[in-house]
Amino acid sequence: QKEVEQNSGPLSVPEGAIASLNCTYSDRGSQSFFWYRQYSGKSPELIMSIYSNGDKEDGRFTAQLNKASQYVSLLIRDSQPSDSATYLCAVNKWATGGFKTIFGAGTRLFVKA
Amino acid sequence: EAGVTQFPSHSVIEKGQTVTLRCDPISGHDNLYWYRRVMGKEIKFLLHFVKESKQDESGMPNNRFLAERTGGTYSTLKVQPAELEDSGVYFCASSQGTSGSEQYFGPGTRLTVT
Repeated sequence: QKEVEQNSGPLSVPEGAIASLNCTYSDRGSQSFFWYRQYSGKSPELIMSIYSNGDKEDGRFTAQLNKASQYVSLLIRDSQPSDSATYLCAVNKWATGGFKTIFGAGTRLFVKA
Repeated sequence: EAGVTQFPSHSVIEKGQTVTLRCDPISGHDNLYWYRRVMGKEIKFLLHFVKESKQDESGMPNNRFLAERTGGTYSTLKVQPAELEDSGVYFCASSQGTSGSEQYFGPGTRLTVT
């Protein structure tokens, strides 16, 4: 079992719809959670961080965290074609010397115009 | 404010040769990380510096990889001798504050070993 699991996709949604991206993690001691967006051939770009249970909203993006279920999600409202990218879930877990970031393999999102 | 920069952007070398990758973190960021993404796989942690000290190098594949961060500013990652399986994209990231805080990635170096 991978430490951070994501559906590889592609997830296809029409323009203007809500895109829902999901991630599960295996280490209950994980402390902080991040969503990165990566366009093809580019580096990961941080879009959301969440540290406590519940929802966190930033513009069109909402991150949701449920530590009991070891589940974190990202909702993108009013999806735009420019949102088409791979979304990486990243989880910080405690390791020797500090926190280590574990990445999921990413979910490809395609927003159809 | 300048972001994380990496050099070179691409490198093509033959098996057995040596390559050195460089990363300049965001100014003031004490934490510096190296990651690698092999084709089709997830981004994998290699190591973590806090200033000039290696905090965690548990992700380094083997002793052909050597990372340094002299003076706590820029970092280098040397691969010597390079093998075919070392091909991939090497990312550097930096963060301020504690090691659990948000990381900002550089553009990456695409390494191809032939």
